[in-house]
Amino acid sequence: SAVISQKPSRDICQRGTSLTIQCQVDSQVTMMFWYRQQPGQSLTLIATANQGSEATYESGFVIDKFPISRPNLTFSTLTVSNMSPEDSSIYLCSVTSADTYEQYFGPGTRLTVT
Amino acid sequence: DQQVKQNSPSLSVQEGRISILNCDYTNSMFDYFLWYKKYPAEGPTFLISISSIKDKNEDGRFTVFLNKSAKHLSLHIVPSQPGDSAVYFCAASVGFGNEKLTFGTGTRLTIIP
Repeated sequence: SAVISQKPSRDICQRGTSLTIQCQVDSQVTMMFWYRQQPGQSLTLIATANQGSEATYESGFVIDKFPISRPNLTFSTLTVSNMSPEDSSIYLCSVTSADTYEQYFGPGTRLTVT
Repeated sequence: DQQVKQNSPSLSVQEGRISILNCDYTNSMFDYFLWYKKYPAEGPTFLISISSIKDKNEDGRFTVFLNKSAKHLSLHIVPSQPGDSAVYFCAASVGFGNEKLTFGTGTRLTIIP
């Protein structure tokens, strides 16, 4: 399975600011995804990060709020813009294994917005 | 609209006994199902999966059963061990591999020594 790291692991941010979360994979992968897990909730897909083109966003998520970059096959960033307390969540990136096609997740970034 | 549901938010099982976690889905287009385990402060860890062409898949202590007519799947853990204490999520996708996953709400399993 792929080894996935995320930075930062946690952060406390003020309302109205932005935070960029990084996701690094130890091998080239085709598909990378960004998920959110709000307190007490399930994981919800935000978007698919496409290498060389714009991300594909799920219903309820927009590029202005969650801009995503994917400059190469091992790295992606998710920015949470103009944050509000409702953005307090765990943000996770995931990748699809080229060998098994299973999805593997990073350790997550715990974001608290005050 | 919660397309994947885990109706039991928590479950306690004696060590050595069988743990059975249940999951129901409503979208008949789902044809690939996965179970993940999540410890606090970690990302979900893939456990086992099953395609809709099968009704059972086994991997060591973990077995997943799929009942397509009932739109129901279950994860059996035998025997249960203290390290199995975690939150378990079932997930479903339309298609295999590079498709988005729809997750259930999770079941917190506690194994009692």
